Amino acid sequence: AQSVSQHNHHVILSEAASLELGCNYSYGGTVNLFWYVQYPGQHLQLLLKYFSGDPLVKGIKGFEAEFIKSKFSFNLRKPSVQWSDTAEYFCAVNGGYQKVTFGIGTKLQVIP
Amino acid sequence: KAGVTQTPRYLIKTRGQQVTLSCSPISGHRSVSWYQQTPGQGLQFLFEYFSETQRNKGNFPGRFSGRQFSNSRSEMNVSTLELGDSALYLCASSLEQLFHTTNEKLFFGSGTQLSVL
Repeated sequence: AQSVSQHNHHVILSEAASLELGCNYSYGGTVNLFWYVQYPGQHLQLLLKYFSGDPLVKGIKGFEAEFIKSKFSFNLRKPSVQWSDTAEYFCAVNGGYQKVTFGIGTKLQVIP
Repeated sequence: KAGVTQTPRYLIKTRGQQVTLSCSPISGHRSVSWYQQTPGQGLQFLFEYFSETQRNKGNFPGRFSGRQFSNSRSEMNVSTLELGDSALYLCASSLEQLFHTTNEKLFFGSGTQLSVL
């Protein structure tokens, strides 16, 4: 069975601070990894994804994530957050033919 | 291209009632998957339909069921509603069956907010 853990459920940062949201998964085989974002009042949208190749993937709005296979991690990063990054962020994993599993989500609040 | 459309947007029901939610996928998409989102539990996978057949199922009781029509539109039904069923129900469409291609992307609708009183 696969599972996803997001360690920080609520993060508060000041504008221009750096962001790193943790995501760890458990699955023994090849995985596809995703980060989704849900802005207030809007629906989920894909931020970035990893399928294969370069473990450092770049997404929209300056976000990036690094896949570290040995640590089963796929942490989301942004060097300098903006107030408009206030949202809920979900990590998701899809391993082979199993159902996709989402993390519980991390609420990010950016203070101007 | 129109996005994923879910109706209704909001729904209020009482315990014991049943409810049917609708999802119209992006044109050409054959996979529709359903998710329950609650503050305490995050986003949980309910099931996926592809070509009118249920292909994957999450860990939810039999009160949660669904179906898919020949035009790929899908409905989800919850019978004998419980207070704990209050949640945002999201559906997502994908071109192919989940997990079969490395180019898979999920396109989510805005959801149906269900409140059970």
